[in-house]
Amino acid sequence: GENVEQHPSTLSVQEGDSAVIKCTYSDSASNYFPWYKQELGKRPQLIIDIRSNVGEKKDQRIAVTLNKTAKHFSLHITETQPEDSAVYFCAARDGGYQKVTFGTGTKLQVIP
Amino acid sequence: DAGITQSPRYKITETGRQVTLMCHQTWSHSYMFWYRQDLGHGLRLIYYSAAADITDKGEVPDGYVVSRSKTENFPLTLESATRSQTSVYFCASSERKDTQYFGPGTRLTVL
Repeated sequence: GENVEQHPSTLSVQEGDSAVIKCTYSDSASNYFPWYKQELGKRPQLIIDIRSNVGEKKDQRIAVTLNKTAKHFSLHITETQPEDSAVYFCAARDGGYQKVTFGTGTKLQVIP
Repeated sequence: DAGITQSPRYKITETGRQVTLMCHQTWSHSYMFWYRQDLGHGLRLIYYSAAADITDKGEVPDGYVVSRSKTENFPLTLESATRSQTSVYFCASSERKDTQYFGPGTRLTVL
């Protein structure tokens, strides 16, 4: 089955700096890669996603890049704000089913 | 988000008891999922369902049972609860657009 590895597990940045979270996946058939943000005590919520036919996608301060050859994808947050502090999960969906495999999460702390 | 609910939100039970966690969605999504979330493990898939009466195992199905007699409901039963099943349980649903929407979660403690 699919295996998703996520790094780093914790990340501290100063407000206004950029944050980068990296993930790798094992199944070359995976074709959908969502990113979720989970605030303390809350449910995971989708913040951005990318499909395998696209190399990069942006939404305001958030961007995701995908390298299919290397089987890795990354989340980039620019101009970080304190409200960006949360746990971020990457995930990969295999090509044939709706099953999504999640990474183990990155706890992002934005220091004011 | 209000379209998917879970009950109870908090549950304390004892080892060996049967517990059922409920999940209900109002979007008529075909797919529904159960995950457990533990520190250091992220979200792990327990069971999923592609439609009413169709279910399949995920990564960590042992000790759990699911059913889906109606599209909108997907209950998860722990037949004989163990301490290792203490966790936060999330239900999710999706259509074939891929985006999974999560419920608010159930925090289960097994004593």
